[in-house]
Amino acid sequence: QVQLQQSGPGLVKPSQTLSLTCAISGDSISNKSIAWNWIRQSPSRGLEWLGRTYYRSKWYHDYAVFVRSRLTINPDPSKNQFFLHLNSMTPEDTAVYYCARDYTGYFHHWGQGTLVTVSS
Amino acid sequence: QLVLTQPPSASASLGASVKLTCTVSSGHTSYPIVWLQQRPEKGPRYLMKINNDGRLTKGDGIPDRFSGSSSGAERYLTISSLQSDDEADYYCQTWASGGVFGGGTKLTVL
Repeated sequence: QVQLQQSGPGLVKPSQTLSLTCAISGDSISNKSIAWNWIRQSPSRGLEWLGRTYYRSKWYHDYAVFVRSRLTINPDPSKNQFFLHLNSMTPEDTAVYYCARDYTGYFHHWGQGTLVTVSS
Repeated sequence: QLVLTQPPSASASLGASVKLTCTVSSGHTSYPIVWLQQRPEKGPRYLMKINNDGRLTKGDGIPDRFSGSSSGAERYLTISSLQSDDEADYYCQTWASGGVFGGGTKLTVL
């Protein structure tokens, strides 16, 4: 049974970098059929896909255009987890952040969510 | 640009059935979608995937009360024998060079 467990801060100051971790159990981050995503949700913008990382004999990354310049998603195969790093945070980045596992682009498993507030 | 459109709200009585709709934008009507359920204060939960030919792939443990269908650009989620804990937000999702989500339908069980 696949489970995704998120960790990270709930409060970030403007201009700082948000770092979140998603720990995977029940699957391998190196599974060549699967991709590992970050998605966020806010009342004003709904659900927004941010990006993903996946392994197909080497590591690949896809990022949404609107965050591409600020976002890095890194895998950590040694601990079977992956990270989100989103820099230059502003109050508009306040949202619940989710990690999710996708098979052929469809999100079958989700983390529990982390509410991130950007405030000084 | 692919857009998924959902009515913002729906309601039905306890024990009744309800049919929720997700409309795939013109030019993309062959795209499969998945239905996600999000109960209050919870993360989304995968319900099923629906192809444009109506083929279904349900998630583990999803009750038979939840079914799906497809007609043209419309993808449907039907919930029968409504229970109080079916009250939730329901989202459709697909993939087009990135994850694409509908705006969600808030289902109220009366």
